Amino acid sequence: DAGITQSPRHKVTETGTPVTLRCHQTENHRYMYWYRQDPGHGLRLIHYSYGVKDTDKGEVSDGYSVSRSKTEDFLLTLESATSSQTSVYFCAISDGNTEAFFGQGTRLTVV
Amino acid sequence: DQQVKQNSPSLSVQEGRISILNCDYTNSMFDYFLWYKKYPAEGPTFLISISSIKDKNEDGRFTVFLNKSAKHLSLHIVPSQPGDSAVYFCAATDSGAGSYQLTFGKGTKLSVIP
Repeated sequence: DAGITQSPRHKVTETGTPVTLRCHQTENHRYMYWYRQDPGHGLRLIHYSYGVKDTDKGEVSDGYSVSRSKTEDFLLTLESATSSQTSVYFCAISDGNTEAFFGQGTRLTVV
Repeated sequence: DQQVKQNSPSLSVQEGRISILNCDYTNSMFDYFLWYKKYPAEGPTFLISISSIKDKNEDGRFTVFLNKSAKHLSLHIVPSQPGDSAVYFCAATDSGAGSYQLTFGKGTKLSVIP
């Protein structure tokens, strides 16, 4: 199994509070991604990174920011959580030559 | 605008029979296609892939077919087993874009009935 760890695995937070999700990899892969999964929408890309300090927006980036200060860590931040950001968040990694590997997911509930 | 479409939200198949899951795409820049399998409360796991230079790829019970002219791919599972019951996501990427980001369909929930 690819070495990807997401933390926390579950979180309940209140509307308007900041939230940071962490993705940690031990594979030294260049590319890292954050997706969200919602019923009826499949998996949608939020942000991705193609190297340390190199990030770009995905399909549903509004309300989210990311940072990658080290190869192994990719952080997703919700600056002010809203109920529409209740979702399951998946981190994925890729070396660009093979398929992407996914973490176990973080279930976030915004109340 | 949905670039990868899985038009069947669900599919039920008897154990031992063939399961066929379909996927259509609209972006002609996509040149690499993947299928992922997802169990509840777990992350998606890679199943099989195909490059646009091929029209078929096999891995054990799983075969993916690609029809570029129709922008259509399908995943065949033969024989289907109860453990195959999961949500299957079709994904596509433009390998020339450099980001290797995947665009996913909405998924098809496969139920294999013993």
